[in-house]
Amino acid sequence: QSALTQPHSVSGSPGQSVTISCTGTSSDVGTYNYVSWYQQYPGKAPQLMIYDVSKRPSGVPDRFSGSKSGNTASLTISGLQAEDEADYHCCSYAGSYKGVFGGGTKLTVL
Amino acid sequence: DVQLVESGGGLVQPGGSLRLSCAASGFTFSSYWMHWVRQAPGKGLVWVSRISGDGTSTSYADSVKGRFTISRDNAKNTLYLQMNTLRAEDTALYYCARHLDRSTWSVDYWGRGTLVTVAS
Repeated sequence: QSALTQPHSVSGSPGQSVTISCTGTSSDVGTYNYVSWYQQYPGKAPQLMIYDVSKRPSGVPDRFSGSKSGNTASLTISGLQAEDEADYHCCSYAGSYKGVFGGGTKLTVL
Repeated sequence: DVQLVESGGGLVQPGGSLRLSCAASGFTFSSYWMHWVRQAPGKGLVWVSRISGDGTSTSYADSVKGRFTISRDNAKNTLYLQMNTLRAEDTALYYCARHLDRSTWSVDYWGRGTLVTVAS
């Protein structure tokens, strides 16, 4: 159960788009369409933003989108806003009712 | 409203034990799988354990298997995590979280966490 690989940090200016990658293996991301993304503000609990690779829970803006290709999943935030500055964590099902998270990515809005 | 409130964290010596609790309200607790997820200070999230709605099926991360036990009391709407043989690397904020749906692998509600510190 090795952690998924995410970039330590990404940044973008307001109005731009940013993409955060999440690389796993054929044992998790590559096999299962159960990748989810969580937004976390400092000192707060995570919040679900994307599940099943590309589905958005109600209330999540459509500026947030998810995709997957092979062993890598991606979260794209378009029309970047100051309030999007947070940590983002990916998670994948890894079989046998186990999950695995990435190390988290800090998004800075310039 | 769905609420998850963790308790039971604290300072414990290496090799010691601790039991965490998570009180759930605002939903039919027995209908949902539940998870424990932890986060070391300044680090990413780490999945720890999952339990089925009726408590008969459990799973664990390799790093805690054999030392931690997840359980639930559906009559009390409470989730537990018994942690034994604690190590310094178990130091983290422990969150309980509700599984979204059996057709997926994601969690939709999180508690605020309870801090466990393992140190002498």
